[in-house]
Amino acid sequence: DAKTTQPTSMDCAEGRAANLPCNHSTISGNEYVYWYRQIHSQGPQYIIHGLKNNETNEMASLIITEDRKSSTLILPHATLRDTAVYYCIVRLPLRGNEKLTFGTGTRLTIIP
Amino acid sequence: DADVTQTPRNRITKTGKRIMLECSQTKGHDRMYWYRQDPGLGLRLIYYSFDVKDINKGEISDGYSVSRQAQAKFSLSLESAIPNQTALYFCATSAAGTGELFFGEGSRLTVL
Repeated sequence: DAKTTQPTSMDCAEGRAANLPCNHSTISGNEYVYWYRQIHSQGPQYIIHGLKNNETNEMASLIITEDRKSSTLILPHATLRDTAVYYCIVRLPLRGNEKLTFGTGTRLTIIP
Repeated sequence: DADVTQTPRNRITKTGKRIMLECSQTKGHDRMYWYRQDPGLGLRLIYYSFDVKDINKGEISDGYSVSRQAQAKFSLSLESAIPNQTALYFCATSAAGTGELFFGEGSRLTVL
């Protein structure tokens, strides 16, 4: 699976959109981008994933560049409860390759 | 009730003691995982199991062993605990072929 690079930390004002970048320049054509978050010391929580097209769900939007070498997770209206560590993970969707490798992620702090 | 339940949630033990962390799930998933998290770091995979008869080592399996007693149960053992095994341990499950993992609430282990 391809390696990802994320900023160590970011701040965002409450109510504003939080945009979390991820670089995955060595991604292969079939690898998906996954995002998880970990609030305090709770277990990580799945947010969203995508291959090429932009994806949106009730939690967030995922924007993947045309060359697929980077992506951005967008939390449209950040709240204090969105303060967490966000992990960007790249995975080849093969049966038997379900395990995920978590890096150190981006620590997002929402400022009141 | 939680879909993925870990016991105990907190444990303090002494060097040399045998410790077992248990995980049970009601998701009906085949895949189960044990991860370890040290302060300020990401999650590292200890062991994973694709079904009852399939156990695989992760990146940091030394000093640990596991048992998959049933589809719903996956236990992690420290045969002789040492202080650098002090960490937060997470169990997770997933369905075959997906990258969406469901995590337990964690077991905080302190080895004195």
